[in-house]
Amino acid sequence: SAVISQKPSRDICQRGTSLTIQCQVDSQVTMMFWYRQQPGQSLTLIATANQGSEATYESGFVIDKFPISRPNLTFSTLTVSNMSPEDSSIYLCSVRQLLTGELFFGEGSRLTVL
Amino acid sequence: GIQVEQSPPDLILQEGANSTLRCNFSDSVNNLQWFHQNPWGQLINLFYIPSGTKQNGRLSATTVATERYSLLYISSSQTTDSGVYFCAVLPNYGGSQGNLIFGKGTKLSVKP
Repeated sequence: SAVISQKPSRDICQRGTSLTIQCQVDSQVTMMFWYRQQPGQSLTLIATANQGSEATYESGFVIDKFPISRPNLTFSTLTVSNMSPEDSSIYLCSVRQLLTGELFFGEGSRLTVL
Repeated sequence: GIQVEQSPPDLILQEGANSTLRCNFSDSVNNLQWFHQNPWGQLINLFYIPSGTKQNGRLSATTVATERYSLLYISSSQTTDSGVYFCAVLPNYGGSQGNLIFGKGTKLSVKP
């Protein structure tokens, strides 16, 4: 399985600011995803990060709020823009193994917005 | 879309006890995974099990795809088993490009 590194692992942010989360994978992968987990809730898919093109967003998530970059097959970033306390969540990067479809997650980035 | 229901939502066990967690899904699936989220928020892959039975130490899982459910068994539970257990499925209708749909999880607390 791929090793997925995320940073920062946690941060405390002020309302109105933006934060970029980085995801690095130790091998080339085709499919990378970003998930959000609000406190006490399950995981919700934000978007699929597409290499060299715009991300594909799920219903309820927009590019202006969650811009995503994926410049190559091993790296992606998610920015949470103009943060409010409602954005306090764990944000997780994940990759899918091509042959089996098995999904693996990074350690997550726990954001608290004051 | 597909519905994924996990039961029970909460479970408290004494150390050493056994337990069974259930995942029901409303449509046919290509993939089913069980995850353990530890108290620090990290998601750990337990099983990739679209069908059949697998065992890994004290944990085992069975998926009966034709009846649309999966079971996760934890034997001789330990305090380190505490956390939230998620079931996630990849619906058939999405093909290989579909997205995993997560259940709401079972929160397990193992008391010493």
